[in-house]
This record gives sequence, C-alpha cells and structure tokens, in this order.
Amino acid sequence: GAVVSQHPSWVICKSGTSVKIECRSLDFQATTMFWYRQFPKQSLMLMATSNEGSKATYEQGVEKDKFLINHASLTLSTLTVTSAHPEDSSFYICSAPAQTSGSGGGTPAAQYFGPGTRLTVT
Amino acid sequence: QKEVDQDPGPLSVPEGAIVSLNCTYSNSAFQYFMWYRQYSRKGPELLMYTYSSGNKEDGRFTAQVDKSSKYISLFIRDSQPSDSATYLCAMSTGANSKLTFGKGITLSVRP
Repeated sequence: GAVVSQHPSWVICKSGTSVKIECRSLDFQATTMFWYRQFPKQSLMLMATSNEGSKATYEQGVEKDKFLINHASLTLSTLTVTSAHPEDSSFYICSAPAQTSGSGGGTPAAQYFGPGTRLTVT
Repeated sequence: QKEVDQDPGPLSVPEGAIVSLNCTYSNSAFQYFMWYRQYSRKGPELLMYTYSSGNKEDGRFTAQVDKSSKYISLFIRDSQPSDSATYLCAMSTGANSKLTFGKGITLSVRP
C-alpha cells in the first residue's frame, strides 16, 4: 500500500510557541491531504482538507489562523499550530488518498494515514 | 440519525474465534468503504477497501458492503491476540473526499 510519513512523531513545546508538523506522501502524489486530531479514546476529528496549490478548507469550529496549513507540493503538507496552548495537546494525524495496489489506472482511491504526531504543550 | 453508526463495544473474544464487526450508515451517496485498524498511539492502518457493493477477501479478513441495506461488515477469521486493537469503519462519497468515521470498536482477543 501507499506510505504516508509524518515528522516529528512526538514534540513537546512551551505554551505560546509555534510547532510545525510535516506530512509526506512517500511513493505517490497527493493533490489532497487531510488533517485530523484525536483525543484519547476518541475517534478522529477532521480539522481541515489541504489542497495542493490552493487554500485549505477548514471544518466548522477549527480556527484557521491558529492551525495554518500549507500544501506546497504534491508530496508535502504542513500543519503549523501557532501560539500553542495546553489544550492543543493532542495526537495529530494526516491522511492522503492513493490508488490501491493492483487497482490499475483510474480506479478510485483509498485513504492512507500517517503514523501521527503527538503534541504536548507545557 | 447518525451518519455512520458503529457499536463502540468493547468486544472480547477468545483466540481463534471469528469476529464480526458492523457499521450502518444513512447517507446513500457513500460509494467508498474502508476498514481501519488502529493500535494505541499509532495512525490508522488500512485493512480493507471496497468501492460500491460487494465482498472482498484478503487473508483472514473479509469485507462486505450491502448498499441496499446501508450496512457494511468486517469479518476476521482465526482471530489472534495481535488483532487486539480499535477497528474503525469509514466511508466517503468521492475518491478524494473526506472520510466519515464510525466511533470505532475496541477488540480484545484473549490467548
């Protein structure tokens, strides 16, 4: 299957600072990527849709000025948490659609997830 | 009515059992159906992917989609302790569209 990586896997930062998380598609190109956050024992919550070469689309209730998304290339999307606060501590995960193996050209895509980034704000 | 409904469990079975996981949905526009497995503090891992209706088998895993009933299932045969994880169903209306998830069910396979 397709591989999505994230960096860093774990980051600790002080309150008020900014943190950048990278999401890369390693063996495919992704015009669209998705960013989620997940709190313990809860399901994934979609934060925004990242579109290569255009502005991200944010879900209702997600502050676009706080969670900056940049999709500068077909293999890289970044999420920057600005002026982080302890309540921003969470598990951040990205995903990207890719062709499934053996599906051939033009076949609809499944979504593959990165390993996640654990953010702790002190 | 929830857009995607999944019994949150938890579910505990003995090793070797057949596990049946299910989700129902209300949006008839969903065309793409996925099952993910998530271990604690890890990203979800794609297990099965089905486009439209039908069955798909991959090793010990079988996915079924019944669009007429708006019902999808994942069967795990000969379950192993390593299958202990949270299983999430997910679906979307388009290939590059956002996913709608079930709540996830935590499965524990007892040795």
